[in-house]
Amino acid sequence: SQQGEEDPQALSIQEGENATMNCSYKTSINNLQWYRQNSGRGLVHLILIRSNEREKHSGRLRVTLDTSKKSSSLLITASRAADTASYFCATAPTGGFKTIFGAGTRLFVKA
Amino acid sequence: SQTIHQWPATLVQPVGSPLSLECTVEGTSNPNLYWYRQAAGRGLQLLFYSIGIDQISSEVPQNLSASRPQDRQFILSSKKLLLSDSGFYLCAWSGGSNNEQFFGPGTRLTVL
Repeated sequence: SQQGEEDPQALSIQEGENATMNCSYKTSINNLQWYRQNSGRGLVHLILIRSNEREKHSGRLRVTLDTSKKSSSLLITASRAADTASYFCATAPTGGFKTIFGAGTRLFVKA
Repeated sequence: SQTIHQWPATLVQPVGSPLSLECTVEGTSNPNLYWYRQAAGRGLQLLFYSIGIDQISSEVPQNLSASRPQDRQFILSSKKLLLSDSGFYLCAWSGGSNNEQFFGPGTRLTVL
């Protein structure tokens, strides 16, 4: 079964608003990552948060991790039309080489 | 800097025909390599991963196979394609212990 599950499946907001996406997972992890995918393209790594970290920032991105709830959130502040894409969380389970991806959240930012 | 190449970008093949998709990585040594398939509007399904030459693990039973003839080359093959093999195929590499992955541009495969 999927390790990472994103919520919501789709999100539509106005430019300038904040976008929040959530991810839940099931097993112990080394880290959790967020990726972005523009339509028909490969995935681009955005940010990685380790299991001993609770929050991380990168530009307009803010990621939180709650290992007790096995959940993470990605916040994009002051969204732009160019942020329109699918966003995936991915977990690196403890002791493995594989990174397991969720089904993604499709974000649409209206100009 | 590291780069990853995939080709072809798009491919249309008849049912029952063979398949060969190639992925190469430049600028790094002994990468972990991955093949994923993505159905339209869905997440990524891990097909194969390799932590070294002659070390390939298959994640799902299917009519696809993978080979790693060189350290930085990963090939996805099929002897006879099925309609259900249509999808977007992505190759990725990672290095180090954090498993941050870097993706190629993908191949859009349509089986008719």
